[in-house]
Amino acid sequence: QSALTQPPSVSGSPGQSVTISCTGTSTDVDFHDRFSWYQVSPGTAPKVLIYKVSHRPSGVPDRFSGSKSGDTASLTISGLQAEDEADYYCSSYTFDSTLFGGGTKLTVL
Amino acid sequence: QVQLQESGPGLVKPSETLSLTCAVSNHSIYNGFWGWIRLPPTKGLEWIATIHYSGKIFYNPSLQSRVTMSVDVSKNQFSLSLHSVTAADTAIYYCARLSASIDFWGQGTLVTVSS
Repeated sequence: QSALTQPPSVSGSPGQSVTISCTGTSTDVDFHDRFSWYQVSPGTAPKVLIYKVSHRPSGVPDRFSGSKSGDTASLTISGLQAEDEADYYCSSYTFDSTLFGGGTKLTVL
Repeated sequence: QVQLQESGPGLVKPSETLSLTCAVSNHSIYNGFWGWIRLPPTKGLEWIATIHYSGKIFYNPSLQSRVTMSVDVSKNQFSLSLHSVTAADTAIYYCARLSASIDFWGQGTLVTVSS
C-alpha cells in the first residue's frame, strides 16, 4: 500500500485557524472522492469529521471543513477550541482498501 | 443509530491467535460493509480488513497472511482472527461500519500481547 503523509503535529491558539494537510499519490487522493478525516481522542471512538472530501456529517460543527487540490487534501479547523485538541487522521477509502495517514496531533495552546 | 460492540480477550500470548467479535445493533448486517481497524500505542490507525455479508472479504496486504474474518448473519455480528501474534499486535481494536466513510465505530477494545 502507498502512504498518506501528514505533519506529525500542528498547534494554534483558541480562536485561531489551523490546517492539516494530507499528501498522497494521485491514485490515493486525486482520482476519487472517498476521502475522509477522523478525530481520535483518548478513551473515545474515532469520529468522522469530513467525508467525500468536503462533506460534513450532521452534528459536526461547520468550523471543520475539508478540501482537496491535486494529490493533497486538507482539513481546516477554524475558531479553535480547547476541546479540539486531539489526533486527526486522513483516510483514502474504498470498500476493498482503506489507507490512513500517519496522524497529526493538534495542540491548542 | 448503528451501534457496534467489540468483545474478546484483553490479553493474548505471543504466537497465539487473537479473536474478536463485533455485535451490531439497530442495523442489519445485510446492509453495508463492516471492518476492523486498530490503533497501536504511539502509532497511527491501521486498517485490517473489510467484509460484506455475502462473504466478500478485503484484507490489508501487510496483514493478509495472518488474518481471518467472518460474518454471522443469524447473530448480526462479524469476527476477526489474527494468528501468530507478537507484541507489535498490541493495540486498541475497533470494529466499524464502512459506507460513504467509516461512519460508525465501536468503542474499541484493548488487546495486549504478552506472556
